[in-house]
Amino acid sequence: DAGVIQSPRHEVTEMGQEVTLRCKPISGHNSLFWYRQTMMRGLELLIYFNNNVPIDDSGMPEDRFSAKMPNASFSTLKIQPSEPRDSAVYFCASTLRDRVKTQYFGPGTRLLVL
Amino acid sequence: DAKTTQPPSMDCAEGRAANLPCNHSTISGNEYVYWYRQIHSQGPQYIIHGLKNNETNEMASLIITEDRKSSTLILPHATLRDTAVYYCIVLYYSGGGADGLTFGKGTHLIIQP
Repeated sequence: DAGVIQSPRHEVTEMGQEVTLRCKPISGHNSLFWYRQTMMRGLELLIYFNNNVPIDDSGMPEDRFSAKMPNASFSTLKIQPSEPRDSAVYFCASTLRDRVKTQYFGPGTRLLVL
Repeated sequence: DAKTTQPPSMDCAEGRAANLPCNHSTISGNEYVYWYRQIHSQGPQYIIHGLKNNETNEMASLIITEDRKSSTLILPHATLRDTAVYYCIVLYYSGGGADGLTFGKGTHLIIQP
């Protein structure tokens, strides 16, 4: 199994530009999570989906952030417009909605907004 | 979810057992204890979890006190590759649902050669 796949691995953009982060969960997993990690705030849950439906987006910082999961094998996190304070590592994770609920994390996308 | 308290950092000699403590004094009956770790520049990695019985897998052992207010993660023979930040997370088991993880600051474990 390839694990959770994220792209791009690194992204450098200028303030005001739109940024789209992509995630492919592990095949067969039915829950997907987006996290953000910064030095100041640590790892934070942004949003998660069960069976492609957004369940809890209370962690999304503001309206500039949006996430979609059009099908079971693909999700996007979009920032529009981006700001320097959005610079962080963004992780995607997936899991089976079973008793164990082990989450498998991708390698992350390092975003730098200049 | 119950909050957890972990020491910010610990050292351990290579080849020795690393014992990482976690306090979760407000844990409730339906909350599990999970441990994840994050090696530098990688995504977090699941290690082990338990409810009230001690658990062991190929990576580690988890010892939960009888009152469930604290637990200890044991890496029996630590190697340099075990240097990472270790997170203790208490998670409510909500039947068929899946919930996001709430990460604290964790313990930065440094394995010394």
